[in-house]
Amino acid sequence: QKEVEQNSGPLSVPEGAIASLNCTYSDRGSQSFFWYRQYSGKSPELIMSIYSNGDKEDGRFTAQLNKASQYVSLLIRDSQPSDSATYLCAVNSFNKFYFGSGTKLNVKP
Amino acid sequence: SQTIHQWPATLVQPVGSPLSLECTVEGTSNPNLYWYRQAAGRGLQLLFYSVGIGQISSEVPQNLSASRPQDRQFILSSKKLLLSDSGFYLCAWSVLRGASPYNEQFFGPGTRLTVL
Repeated sequence: QKEVEQNSGPLSVPEGAIASLNCTYSDRGSQSFFWYRQYSGKSPELIMSIYSNGDKEDGRFTAQLNKASQYVSLLIRDSQPSDSATYLCAVNSFNKFYFGSGTKLNVKP
Repeated sequence: SQTIHQWPATLVQPVGSPLSLECTVEGTSNPNLYWYRQAAGRGLQLLFYSVGIGQISSEVPQNLSASRPQDRQFILSSKKLLLSDSGFYLCAWSVLRGASPYNEQFFGPGTRLTVL
């Protein structure tokens, strides 16, 4: 069973702070890694993908991957109230995607 | 650009009734297609995935079935719905970038199904 684990939260941060979201996965054969944002009642939206060890930055978002530790993280800088959502971690292994249950983020004005 | 459509957006069905949910993708060829279910407050459960017309892999044995009659059409069906079938049904697509395993997945707007 390929598992993806996330802390369900909620994670509460003040506006302007850095939000740090974490994810671990069990399958060492996983090839690519993703973060999705899901607003209440809506479908998930892809915000970051990362394929190799290290950091990948896109605007206020930074994804970090450590394959040796089987660990993926997402940093959101200058958090805004509009970032309040559930963040899903996903891993891809041979055309199948496995999702964590998500971390709920609350950004307080 | 690629777009993915799902319908209906919401559906209320009695227990024991049949189900048909449809998903179509535009702007890409030969996509991988997926059906997921998300129960309230839960993560995504992969139900079916397809790498081509008529090719369906089932991940969870249950009273649901899937079909792919055309390259960009994916249908989720049931002959008799159960209460436990209630949830948010999401269709998704992905395309391999050449020979690489780097395969991003994109979701449709979803169908919210309530079985009463």
